[in-house]
Amino acid sequence: NAGVMQNPRHLVRRRGQEARLRCSPMKGHSHVYWYRQLPEEGLKFMVYLQKENIIDESGMPKERFSAEFPKEGPSILRIQQVVRGDSAAYFCASSPGGSSSGNTIYFGEGSWLTVV
Amino acid sequence: GENVEQHPSTLSVQEGDSAVIKCTYSDSASNYFPWYKQELGKGPQLIIDIRSNVGEKKDQRIAVTLNKTAKHFSLHITETQPEDSAVYFCAASLDSNYQLIWGAGTKLIIKP
Repeated sequence: NAGVMQNPRHLVRRRGQEARLRCSPMKGHSHVYWYRQLPEEGLKFMVYLQKENIIDESGMPKERFSAEFPKEGPSILRIQQVVRGDSAAYFCASSPGGSSSGNTIYFGEGSWLTVV
Repeated sequence: GENVEQHPSTLSVQEGDSAVIKCTYSDSASNYFPWYKQELGKGPQLIIDIRSNVGEKKDQRIAVTLNKTAKHFSLHITETQPEDSAVYFCAASLDSNYQLIWGAGTKLIIKP
């Protein structure tokens, strides 16, 4: 049973370019979360999605950032017109969902974005 | 809303000794408390979790204790080994609420 798969693991973008980060949840998981982590800091919640729905995007910057989890395919975190401050590790996590299974979430290995 | 505080921010222990990391939470309704271990360059890994219907849970050298009255829970690692060196995060949430509230993390250093 594969874990949460993220790609690319490392991505370098020039200022002004777009970054697309992909996440495939664990098999059987229908809930996806994206977190951002700056060096030497904790995890900052960005967005929570279910298939075709954004449940909570309270942690997403208002501009340039968007996320989706289509009916088919991986979840995508998209950052437009990247700036140096976007350089960070972006972690995707998934959970089975539903109150009966609690909130056990499992993380991927992360995508490290570097903006030059 | 819920708030989770984690202490210490850095903990250095001699190999073979025990390490204890503590977290306090503010919302008495929280009933799910996981602990994650994050090694350098990797994603957080769930190492143990506890729900509020139990006071302690063990898994080999790792244990978590929960004091609902005082609203704090702790991670205990016995017989520490070099591979225990990592950053540890605690979190809290309502079982029916997806939103985990995270502690700031503890950097655990195991000295040889």
